[in-house]
Amino acid sequence: ETGVTQSPTHLIKTRGQQVTLRCSSQSGHNTVSWYQQALGQGPQFIFQYYREEENGRGNFPPRFSGLQFPNYSSELNVNALELDDSALYLCASSPTGGEGSETQYFGPGTRLLVL
Amino acid sequence: RKEVEQDPGPFNVPEGATVAFNCTYSNSASQSFFWYRQDCRKEPKLLMSVYSSGNEDGRFTAQLNRASQYISLLIRDSKLSDSATYLCVGPSGGSYIPTFGRGTSLIVHP
Repeated sequence: ETGVTQSPTHLIKTRGQQVTLRCSSQSGHNTVSWYQQALGQGPQFIFQYYREEENGRGNFPPRFSGLQFPNYSSELNVNALELDDSALYLCASSPTGGEGSETQYFGPGTRLLVL
Repeated sequence: RKEVEQDPGPFNVPEGATVAFNCTYSNSASQSFFWYRQDCRKEPKLLMSVYSSGNEDGRFTAQLNRASQYISLLIRDSKLSDSATYLCVGPSGGSYIPTFGRGTSLIVHP
């Protein structure tokens, strides 16, 4: 196991609601990235946090927001949920921040279903 | 054109076969690549990094071809347990956004 944990494991919401997903990074890792993985697709990069600052963002609307805490754990918040937000949300931690696609260690993911 | 492209497969091979996947990328500035393995309904797990000089780990060999802008993964002596989806990932240009391919499905049968 990678040591990256995520909660909850599964979640069902309805359109328009808001959701918060949580991630604890592997010990010693100061960088956390969030991904959305739809069925049959590869993970799509949402954003990355390095030392509590957003450090890169993918092509996702502002209703996707995040936080990183001093202990390097992180939250992903999604407002005004849409049906297309139904996906597996993956958190990945890595030991270095900044440039490059550094080795990332994924948590088990949160499976979100929006009805 | 997508920045990182993979043939989704599935690749159906018998045990013991050698199988190779390619992953093409569009950004010539990309420097670092990785292969991940993802089992059904599980998270991706790092398989190996891809270096310019090639990288071998047991039955697995990864190579980078900068001239043709693709990376490859070769699996020798396939095992049933190799059945999974194989994802390639590289950074997306100057923004260094990790970009995953959609994955290639491998099914190894007895």
